[in-house]
Amino acid sequence: QKEVEQNSGPLSVPEGAIASLNCTYSDRGSQSFFWYRQYSGKSPELIMSIYSNGDKEDGRFTAQLNKASQYVSLLIRDSQPSDSATYLCAVSRLTNAGKSTFGDGTTLTVKP
Amino acid sequence: EAGVAQSPRYKIIEKRQSVAFWCNPISGHATLYWYQQILGQGPKLLIQFQNNGVVDDSQLPKDRFSAERLKGVDSTLKIQPAKLEDSAVYLCASRTWGGASSGNTIYFGEGSWLTVV
Repeated sequence: QKEVEQNSGPLSVPEGAIASLNCTYSDRGSQSFFWYRQYSGKSPELIMSIYSNGDKEDGRFTAQLNKASQYVSLLIRDSQPSDSATYLCAVSRLTNAGKSTFGDGTTLTVKP
Repeated sequence: EAGVAQSPRYKIIEKRQSVAFWCNPISGHATLYWYQQILGQGPKLLIQFQNNGVVDDSQLPKDRFSAERLKGVDSTLKIQPAKLEDSAVYLCASRTWGGASSGNTIYFGEGSWLTVV
């Protein structure tokens, strides 16, 4: 079992729809959770971080965390073609703040 | 603010040859990471530096990979001898040290693409 698991996709949604990306993790000591966006041929870019159970909203993005279920998700509202990318989930323990373990990513395609 | 700089961007070498990658982190960032990203996979941490000291190198294949961060700024990652399975993007990243309770935003460089033939 991988430490961080994501559906590889591809996930395809029409423009304007809500895209839902999911991630599960195995380390119950994880305290910090991140979503990165990676365009093809580019480096990962942080788009959301969440540390407490519940929802965190930033513009069109909402991250949801449920530590009891070891589950974190990312919702993208009003999806745009420019959102087409691979979304990487990463988790880390607060005690080693910098070491993040990444999932293999979900590829999202937003069709005009 | 300048980002994380890496070079070279692309490198093609034959197996058993050696290669070195260079990274200059964001100014003032004490923590520096090297990640390996194989096509279709997420980044895997190879080594983490705090200033010029190694914090974590548990996933670094030490028989062929080495890294250093002299003077706590620039870093070099070396592979010798290279194997076909080392073909990947080598990502350097950095962050400021805010202690265990701070946020974890790390900033990636554009990566060094290695192809071993």
